[in-house]
Amino acid sequence: GENVEQHPSTLSVQEGDSAVIKCTYSDSASNYFPWYKQELGKRPQLIIDIRSNVGEKKDQRIAVTLNKTAKHFSLHITETQPEDSAVYFCAASVGGNNRLAFGKGNQVVVIP
Amino acid sequence: KAGVTQTPRYLIKTRGQQVTLSCSPISGHRSVSWYQQTPGQGLQFLFEYFSETQRNKGNFPGRFSGRQFSNSRSEMNVSTLELGDSALYLCASSLSSGATNTGELFFGEGSRLTVL
Repeated sequence: GENVEQHPSTLSVQEGDSAVIKCTYSDSASNYFPWYKQELGKRPQLIIDIRSNVGEKKDQRIAVTLNKTAKHFSLHITETQPEDSAVYFCAASVGGNNRLAFGKGNQVVVIP
Repeated sequence: KAGVTQTPRYLIKTRGQQVTLSCSPISGHRSVSWYQQTPGQGLQFLFEYFSETQRNKGNFPGRFSGRQFSNSRSEMNVSTLELGDSALYLCASSLSSGATNTGELFFGEGSRLTVL
């Protein structure tokens, strides 16, 4: 299967707090896990990705962790700012194919 | 470098009609994927083309089809439109070459289709 589930569907955080979004996947052959951010009315853009040979990756205020055994990965945003408000999509590569299965998205709202 | 360009940006059709959407990838990108985005359903994969060949296909009915030209530009067609086809159709290109070389997708701004 190629299901990718995201939780929670909506997340509200106070500015400066941390936000964590979790995703689970079902395809044990998945080896690439990107996160895309889509601001209102704009196109999705890659913010960070991780491959299965790495457990954690960090880029300034965002980080992604991967647990291949449990088949889940998480996006961590620290010191949230109003511009972090957006829909975040996780995705996982499907089998050995050059395609991605996306989750349904998380609406993150940062409250000033 | 110019980004991914999709046309038209907005269109309105009635049930039973057909529609063709166009996507011009970033120069040098040979892989083009199409996604359907609807509220609450996220991004659902339609198909992917590489070097004029459909390399991957999602779980959409045969009314949804696509093609890719020698210059990597791609079109998708939806025939016999239904109300449920109303959505934002996103095209994405990537540098991916091999069948297993999943890389960053660069999305266009999408074509918003409304079916009345």
